[in-house]
Amino acid sequence: DVKVTQSSRYLVKRTGEKVFLECVQDMDHENMFWYRQDPGLGLRLIYFSYDVKMKEKGDIPEGYSVSREKKERFSLILESASTNQTSMYLCASSPTHTQYFGPGTRLTVL
Amino acid sequence: KQEVTQIPAALSVPEGENLVLNCSFTDSAIYNLQWFRQDPGKGLTSLLLIQSSQREQTSGRLNASLDKSSGRSTLYIAASQPGDSATYLCAVDKGGSEKLVFGKGTKLTVNP
Repeated sequence: DVKVTQSSRYLVKRTGEKVFLECVQDMDHENMFWYRQDPGLGLRLIYFSYDVKMKEKGDIPEGYSVSREKKERFSLILESASTNQTSMYLCASSPTHTQYFGPGTRLTVL
Repeated sequence: KQEVTQIPAALSVPEGENLVLNCSFTDSAIYNLQWFRQDPGKGLTSLLLIQSSQREQTSGRLNASLDKSSGRSTLYIAASQPGDSATYLCAVDKGGSEKLVFGKGTKLTVNP
């Protein structure tokens, strides 16, 4: 079975803090993705990566950055967290065209 | 810009009923369309993927159809069960880049 794990299920941070969300997949997938999910707005793509050290902006990259130093790990970074980044964050990986999702991290920024 | 719409936003049915969930998209030039299931507070599980050249896909009690020319897809669930209760999302991949555009989902409740 494909396993995508995210470092935390719930996270509470303060405005201005630097926040790291980690995602690890165990299936040697090339492609990895970060989404956020908000009520009334649905899932929106933040960043994605097709390979190590490679990244592409999604639809809403502002306020975020990513890092992919190893194939299995894709990190989402909030350089200076703001209250409007309170959301559910979902990571996914894919060998090709079928995305496998992690359980999500619910981030609250106070 | 591709937009994906799912109607209705919520649906409640008695156990055993056959039901159809709808998904429409504005740009018919798609690479594939996927249906996902999401349980409360959890991640998404892929149910069915239909390539642009296909008309339908089946998995167990689920059947998904695709009509690219009209910009529509349907997910048919046969003999619904309480365990089918979840939010169902459809997503479109426009150019094969895997940059999925999601609908907002249909929340299904199957009552025993």
